[in-house]
Amino acid sequence: DAGITQSPRHKVTETGTPVTLRCHQTENHRYMYWYRQDPGHGLRLIHYSYGVKDTDKGEVSDGYSVSRSKTEDFLLTLESATSSQTSVYFCAIILAASTDTQYFGPGTRLTVL
Amino acid sequence: DAKTTQPPSMDCAEGRAANLPCNHSTISGNEYVYWYRQIHSQGPQYIIHGLKNNETNEMASLIITEDRKSSTLILPHATLRDTAVYYCIVRPHGSSNTGKLIFGQGTTLQVKP
Repeated sequence: DAGITQSPRHKVTETGTPVTLRCHQTENHRYMYWYRQDPGHGLRLIHYSYGVKDTDKGEVSDGYSVSRSKTEDFLLTLESATSSQTSVYFCAIILAASTDTQYFGPGTRLTVL
Repeated sequence: DAKTTQPPSMDCAEGRAANLPCNHSTISGNEYVYWYRQIHSQGPQYIIHGLKNNETNEMASLIITEDRKSSTLILPHATLRDTAVYYCIVRPHGSSNTGKLIFGQGTTLQVKP
């Protein structure tokens, strides 16, 4: 258990509404990541963070923004949700830079109607 | 990142060894081979990684060919709980691209009683 929690675990929302997903870790790990997973596409990186206020884009960042105001929380925001953003969202961390291996949270299932 | 090729699906009898192949013919000298798996509805789980030598841990063994163009993940005594999608990923270790895992389609391993 890498101490990663995601909230909410499930959410249904309507097109055009803002949505924020939260990833929380308990052990002050530097690197945090947001992925989405869709059938036929595997996992794709949305954004990642390498420290407080330090973030960068992944391969599918359009329509998403992130914030990291403190080490333990990495927030993913959909400013105006669309049906194409219906997906399962996973957060991940690296426990130790020496191993460079990622540990994933349980996921958030988001449905945009 | 180098591209990997895996068979889409494999079956294995419970208690037998599961051998999952991965081709990575364009791998660069500084790229490691990582294996993750994803059990249905859960976040991906790190299994093992290696550069050129064979590696073993409590979960699996990783055999990398001498030319490094392919590798095999071995689960020595597969159980029903090993049924999952297995992802082979190649990427530099500890580089500035830390975190940018590129997940392909993986191999769906079905362990049968």
